[in-house]
Amino acid sequence: DIQLTQSPSSLSASVGDRVTITCRASLAISSYLSWYLQKPGKAPKLLISAASSLQSGVPSRFSGSGSGTDFTLTISSLQPEDFATYYCQQSYSSHWTFGQGTRVEIK
Amino acid sequence: EVQLVQSGGEVKKPGESLKISCKGSGFSFHRYWIAWVRQMPGKGLEWMGIIYPGDSDTRYSPSFQGQVSISVDESINTAFLQWRSLKASDTAIYYCARRDDRGLAYGMDVWGQGTTVIVS
Repeated sequence: DIQLTQSPSSLSASVGDRVTITCRASLAISSYLSWYLQKPGKAPKLLISAASSLQSGVPSRFSGSGSGTDFTLTISSLQPEDFATYYCQQSYSSHWTFGQGTRVEIK
Repeated sequence: EVQLVQSGGEVKKPGESLKISCKGSGFSFHRYWIAWVRQMPGKGLEWMGIIYPGDSDTRYSPSFQGQVSISVDESINTAFLQWRSLKASDTAIYYCARRDDRGLAYGMDVWGQGTTVIVS
């Protein structure tokens, strides 16, 4: 299986901060990467597909970049509703996998 | 409204069987791959497998192959996840999710509310 490693595993930030989360794949996956947000007790929500395509209805402060093995999710100005856990997920292989998650907490 | 509605929570004993469901509405169910995702208590997301209702083509994660069965009844727009013999380690929340049909690089755009399974 393709392994996805997210960094950091957790971070503390303040409202208005710029936040960057990285996802590294164990082998090249082109742009077959998605990002999700999950709040406690809720189902995950798709933010970005194809590495950089923003899902309809997702605020423009979220952006994604990268291809091959290295990918980035950026939140340009952190809002109170953005405190959550973020996951990357690859769909390059027939066996999809998720990263271990990055928890974004309030500083 | 496009949605996936999952069956209710379950409390079972080790060794018992279980089948949980995921019903789609508001979209052409037969055209979308439906995936299952596990989340153990306090842990991250794990992709279990996926099925295409149009022809029941199914793929399993190696971690779950032989441990669960994924099936579908296209006539009632419902996908299923089944265990023959539950273990305490199957205790988790199970989500179904629809794969965005815009292409292989796209993720899971519609999610069910989750089904909590407790094996004790």
